[in-house]
Amino acid sequence: DAGVTQSPTHLIKTRGQHVTLRCSPISGHKSVSWYQQVLGQGPQFIFQYYEKEERGRGNFPDRFSARQFPNYSSELNVNALLLGDSALYLCASSVDRAGSPLHFGNGTRLTVT
Amino acid sequence: QKEVEQNSGPLSVPEGAIASLNCTYSDRGSQSFFWYRQYSGKSPELIMFIYSNGDKEDGRFTAQLNKASQYVSLLIRDSQPSDSATYLCAVKPPSGGSYIPTFGRGTSLIVHP
Repeated sequence: DAGVTQSPTHLIKTRGQHVTLRCSPISGHKSVSWYQQVLGQGPQFIFQYYEKEERGRGNFPDRFSARQFPNYSSELNVNALLLGDSALYLCASSVDRAGSPLHFGNGTRLTVT
Repeated sequence: QKEVEQNSGPLSVPEGAIASLNCTYSDRGSQSFFWYRQYSGKSPELIMFIYSNGDKEDGRFTAQLNKASQYVSLLIRDSQPSDSATYLCAVKPPSGGSYIPTFGRGTSLIVHP
C-alpha cells in the first residue's frame, strides 16, 4: 500500500510569494495533519483536518491556510512568504483523530530567499 | 502550555549497548504516546506506540510508560550504527481534548562502532 505522499519534494520561493503544498493520505485514513519542522526542533503543529473539516489549528499566522478534499487529500497554502517560513513541511495521516498514530509523508523542503 | 521534554543529546553509545531515551510530559491525563525515528534530512518514521502503563516490546525496541511519574522511555537493545538518528517523543492529550499530539524536540542518538 502507498504511504503518505507529498508534493513537491523541494521548493524555492522568494519573499512575498505564495506556495501550495499537497498531500495524499494513506488509503482509508480520514485525518490529515500538517506540521512545520525547523532544524533542531520537533515538528510544530499547524492544522488538523478530519472528514474535511478543520479540527485544530496551531499557533501560526493567518497567512497559513489549508483544506481537505472529498478524497481526503489536503493542501497547505502559505501567503506572503517570509524568510522564517523556510522549513520542512510535513503532512501526516491517521485513521482517526483519537489515539491512532500519525504516519508522515516524506515532507516538502521549502526555502524562501 | 502542554509540554513534552526531551534531552537534545547527543547520546553516544557503543555498538551492541543499550540506548535509553527519555521523555517527560506535563499533561497528566495524556493517553497516547509515540516514538518516532528521524534520520537527518528525512521525515519521522513511527517506531512504537504505547497506551498503557508498563512495557511494550517490539524486536530490539521497548517502550516504557509510567503515567504516575509522567514519563515515557524508549530502550534500544543491541544498538547498531544504523540506529543513529534523532528520536522524537510525541504525546496525545486526553480523550475529549484536541487530539493533537505534541512533539518533543528530539534526542540525537549516535551509535559508534
